Amino acid sequence: RKEVEQDPGPFNVPEGATVAFNCTYSNSASQSFFWYRQDCRKEPKLLMSVYSSGNEDGRFTAQLNRASQYISLLIRDSKLSDSATYLCVVNMGSNYQLIWGAGTKLIIKP
Amino acid sequence: DAGVIQSPRHEVTEMGQEVTLRCKPISGHDYLFWYRQTMMRGLELLIYFNNNVPIDDSGMPEDRFSAKMPNASFSTLKIQPSEPRDSAVYFCASSAPRGVAGELFFGEGSRLTVL
Repeated sequence: RKEVEQDPGPFNVPEGATVAFNCTYSNSASQSFFWYRQDCRKEPKLLMSVYSSGNEDGRFTAQLNRASQYISLLIRDSKLSDSATYLCVVNMGSNYQLIWGAGTKLIIKP
Repeated sequence: DAGVIQSPRHEVTEMGQEVTLRCKPISGHDYLFWYRQTMMRGLELLIYFNNNVPIDDSGMPEDRFSAKMPNASFSTLKIQPSEPRDSAVYFCASSAPRGVAGELFFGEGSRLTVL
């Protein structure tokens, strides 16, 4: 079993719809969690950190479920510009023991 | 502010040749990472430095790969000799000393093709 798993997609979603995807992690001692966004042929960029209480940034909401060991990303009112690959990242410790998921590809269609 | 700067952006070389990739981290950042990304394997951490000292190089594939950070503003990743399976996008990233452990700032990457 991979340490961090994501559904690779692609998720094909009409513009304006709500889309959600999950990321599961295997190590219950994982300490911090992040979502990155990577556009085609570009570098990854931090989208948001995921806090225990959940957090929201505009149309984006991230949730953490420690009991079931997954994090989720919800995108409301999706835009064409949201089309990208979304990478889940788990930090296993206090240092940079970052484990990257393979990414979920999202395609927003007009 | 300037972000992480990598060079070259693209490199095409022949098997057996030496390849040197360069990175300038964001000023004031004391962590520097080298990643490799391929379709098959995704993002892989090769090595990372803290205050110019290599902390974890367990991801370096083999002795053909070496990385240095002679000062806080410059790092190199060298492949000698290069092989076709080294073809990938190589990313450099940096992180701030009191930032969130996990908040990395990536350069635009160096796309390497080994023929």
